[in-house]
Amino acid sequence: NAGVTQTPKFRVLKTGQSMTLLCAQDMNHEYMYWYRQDPGMGLRLIHYSVGEGTTAKGEVPDGYNVSRLKKQNFLLGLESAAPSQTSVYFCASSLGTFEAFFGQGTRLTVV
Amino acid sequence: AQSVSQHNHHVILSEAASLELGCNYSYGGTVNLFWYVQYPGQHLQLLLKYFSGDPLVKGIKGFEAEFIKSKFSFNLRKPSVQWSDTAEYFCAVNHAGRRALTFGSGTRLQVQP
Repeated sequence: NAGVTQTPKFRVLKTGQSMTLLCAQDMNHEYMYWYRQDPGMGLRLIHYSVGEGTTAKGEVPDGYNVSRLKKQNFLLGLESAAPSQTSVYFCASSLGTFEAFFGQGTRLTVV
Repeated sequence: AQSVSQHNHHVILSEAASLELGCNYSYGGTVNLFWYVQYPGQHLQLLLKYFSGDPLVKGIKGFEAEFIKSKFSFNLRKPSVQWSDTAEYFCAVNHAGRRALTFGSGTRLQVQP
């Protein structure tokens, strides 16, 4: 039972570098999300998608881009990483307003 | 914009003590409510959920929560905590108009043996 799989699990970037985080789900969920988790702030929504080919901004979208070319995959891109983007990133998927299932997270450090 | 408030940021209890974590939300319409738990170094896992019906819901590991609509609250309870309950607990809400979950800031629970 894979569920939601995120790659990579850890990454260190230098300021200005770019990278893509991959999220894959095998539950045929329509909805997918990217959150970032910072101490004392809970999880904040970066971008989300309600279906293949669609994306929308969440609470903290600046500095990130996303794509949902296939239903099972949701990519999060950082074009020019900044230290403020040091965080733990979680991908999740859900069937509408039912519970979301989360991946294991990606710990990103930008130096 | 809807918001979720968790007023207890850090709770320290001894084993066998009772637990109650507060959660209040701001949305006035019909909501779905969730409690998630995050054990150290792990991802979020669902503890329990409320969609409709009996406002007292039971989840895994002996946890329960009560939805009080008039107070916009969904407090989490456990009669007797164990050391293994040490984790961070997040309350979350969504609704038909916003399917993405909105999370509270979390409560870190530390259970001392």
